[in-house]
Amino acid sequence: DTGVSQDPRHKITKRGQNVTFRCDPISEHNRLYWYRQTLGQGPEFLTYFQNEAQLEKSRLLSDRFSAERPKGSFSTLEIQRTEQGDSAMYLCASSSPGHVYNEQFFGPGTRLTVL
Amino acid sequence: AQRVTQPEKLLSVFKGAPVELKCNYSYSGSPELFWYVQYSRQRLQLLLRHISRESIKGFTADLNKGETSFHLKKPFAQEEDSAMYYCALSANTGANSKLTFGKGITLSVRP
Repeated sequence: DTGVSQDPRHKITKRGQNVTFRCDPISEHNRLYWYRQTLGQGPEFLTYFQNEAQLEKSRLLSDRFSAERPKGSFSTLEIQRTEQGDSAMYLCASSSPGHVYNEQFFGPGTRLTVL
Repeated sequence: AQRVTQPEKLLSVFKGAPVELKCNYSYSGSPELFWYVQYSRQRLQLLLRHISRESIKGFTADLNKGETSFHLKKPFAQEEDSAMYYCALSANTGANSKLTFGKGITLSVRP
């Protein structure tokens, strides 16, 4: 296990198209987070899963966004009818309640560009 | 609501100079504070957390509840310290330990 992985690493799409990103957390981690980072800003929380349950969603997550974690392992984040304002780096992180201080481990991110 | 403020965007120092990266927070409860670092072309990674009171790569940070600050310090900067640094807060009010990040500061250490 080499850590949290995300796919794809880069995505260029046209406005109005749908996109889906995947996150594979560290295998024993039951907590999974999605963040979004725009230029010049720190990461902003989007949503959180514990196992397969989505327990919290940020107000940043509009109706066009949906996230799933069907078997409590990998997660997907889908954006429908993309807008130019969706252009950002999408980060996934995972953690385990048994880990010291509940440290979050981040993936490399998926950079989305909406033309 | 919780908020993290990093007032500076860039700090440029010479090798061997002291470094202080400022972080102030706003939260009504008892937060957990962290510093994350992102080196060039690498992923975001945890540098240190206040609760462990540790020194990592020569960096330390003390939580000052009176001033609501968590400044990151290093007495002698090295070129390999050049990176983006983010201060983050976790409300830790249950299972969801989501992080609230500041905007980050670029540290540039010149030879």
